[in-house]
Amino acid sequence: GDSVTQMEGPVTLSEEACLTINCTYTATGYPSLFWYVQYPGEGLQLLLKATKADDKGSNKGFEATYRKETTSFHLEKGSVQVSDSAVYFCALGDSSYKLIFGSGTRLLVRP
Amino acid sequence: KAGVTQTPRYLIKTRGQQVTLSCSPISGHRSVSWYQQTPGQGLQFLFEYFSETQRNKGNFPGRFSGRQFSNSRSEMNVSTLELGDSALYLCASSLTSSGIYNEQFFGPGTRLTVL
Repeated sequence: GDSVTQMEGPVTLSEEACLTINCTYTATGYPSLFWYVQYPGEGLQLLLKATKADDKGSNKGFEATYRKETTSFHLEKGSVQVSDSAVYFCALGDSSYKLIFGSGTRLLVRP
Repeated sequence: KAGVTQTPRYLIKTRGQQVTLSCSPISGHRSVSWYQQTPGQGLQFLFEYFSETQRNKGNFPGRFSGRQFSNSRSEMNVSTLELGDSALYLCASSLTSSGIYNEQFFGPGTRLTVL
């Protein structure tokens, strides 16, 4: 079945460092891909999305490109802030009306 | 526009009891999904409803059930609670009826603790 694999965390960075969180997927069809973020004690917030190959999703300085050839959707940000500290989930949406999530990557940004 | 609301936010129950969680989707959204989040299993899909019809169900025992009302509000029920049911239960709503473009908006969750 479809699945999503994310890099293990936690990822610890200093403020203004560059961020990459790797995400790869396995899917039989042509899914949509998403990044969600979860702050402590809260639900999930949609960060960005891409619905077809070569699409680039972007929001709040974060970017991810849907790469069909490498089945990847890596999350990147050029300069992280302390307020970016959270857990990030890569997710796949297919025709079965559900999202399949990766295991999540905790990001800790130090001042 | 108000977001997805879930009630209650916190719940403590004992083994063997049953519990009902409620979710109100974003106005105009007709698809409601439920997920269970635990440290060990991560985020797992429970079920999805659209226009009062369950379209998909995850791999959970029959103790987990749900329904959707004509106003799109949804409830999920867990009967005969077990310790392992302790989790954050997240509800999400979606505008589109299509599965592929399933951009879902999540509520804050209900934290269920089973003692």
